Amino acid sequence: DIQMTQSPSTLSASVGDRVTITCRASQSISNWLAWYQQKPGKAPKLLIYKTSSLESGVPSRFSGSGSGTEFTLTISSLQPDDFATYYCQQYNIYYTFGQGTKLEIK
Amino acid sequence: QVQLVQSGAEVKKPGASVKVSCKASGYTFTSFGISWVRQAPGQGLEWMGWISAYYGNTNYAQRLQGRVSMTTDTSTTTAFMDLRSLRSDDTAVYYCGRNRCSGGNCYIDYWGQGTLVTVSS
Repeated sequence: DIQMTQSPSTLSASVGDRVTITCRASQSISNWLAWYQQKPGKAPKLLIYKTSSLESGVPSRFSGSGSGTEFTLTISSLQPDDFATYYCQQYNIYYTFGQGTKLEIK
Repeated sequence: QVQLVQSGAEVKKPGASVKVSCKASGYTFTSFGISWVRQAPGQGLEWMGWISAYYGNTNYAQRLQGRVSMTTDTSTTTAFMDLRSLRSDDTAVYYCGRNRCSGGNCYIDYWGQGTLVTVSS
C-alpha cells in the first residue's frame, strides 16, 4: 500500500500569512495527487487535483506543486475562511489519504 | 447542480449490518463511479472502496474485504454501501463521493453530506 505522510500535523498562522503544507508518498505517484479542505462537521471539499490543477470555484490563493513523492499545498495569503483541516490524497493506486494538517489561528 | 444525498444516521449493535444509501442527481449517473470513505470520530479519512456505476465492478480496501459490499441501482441513481459484522471501531461518519477520472486515475470531486453510523451495545 502507498502511505501518505503530511507535515506538519498542526500549523498556527495569522490572516495574511503565506503557509505551506507538505505531503510525502512512500513511492512515486507521478502527479496523481489531490488536496481537500474539511471544516468541522462538513464533508471534504476538493481544492486541487493532478498536483496543481485548481478546481473550479476555488480561490487562486491556493496552489499545488510537486511530483513523484513530494508535494506541497500553498495558501498565498490566509483568509479567515481558510482555517480548516487539509488532506492530501494519492490516486495513483487506489486511494490513500494523508493524516491531515489542522490549520489554526495564531 | 451535482448533489449526493445520503441516508440518515444509524445506531447498530455489534455484529449487525448497516446499509447506507447515496442518491445522486444533477449528472449522468452511469458516467461516473462512486467511492465510499469513512472518518472515525476525531480521525482522518479512510478509503473503503469504489464501484463503477456503469459496469458495477468494484474495488474494496483490503482491510474491509469480506465485510463490505457496494452496489448501485441505476433506475433510481442510488449507490449503496453494506457493512457487515459491525464492531465498535466501525463507528464513523460514512461519505459517498463521485469519482472524476482521467484515464484510469480517479479522484473525488463531489461528496455526500455524510452518514453517522454508531456501533454500540
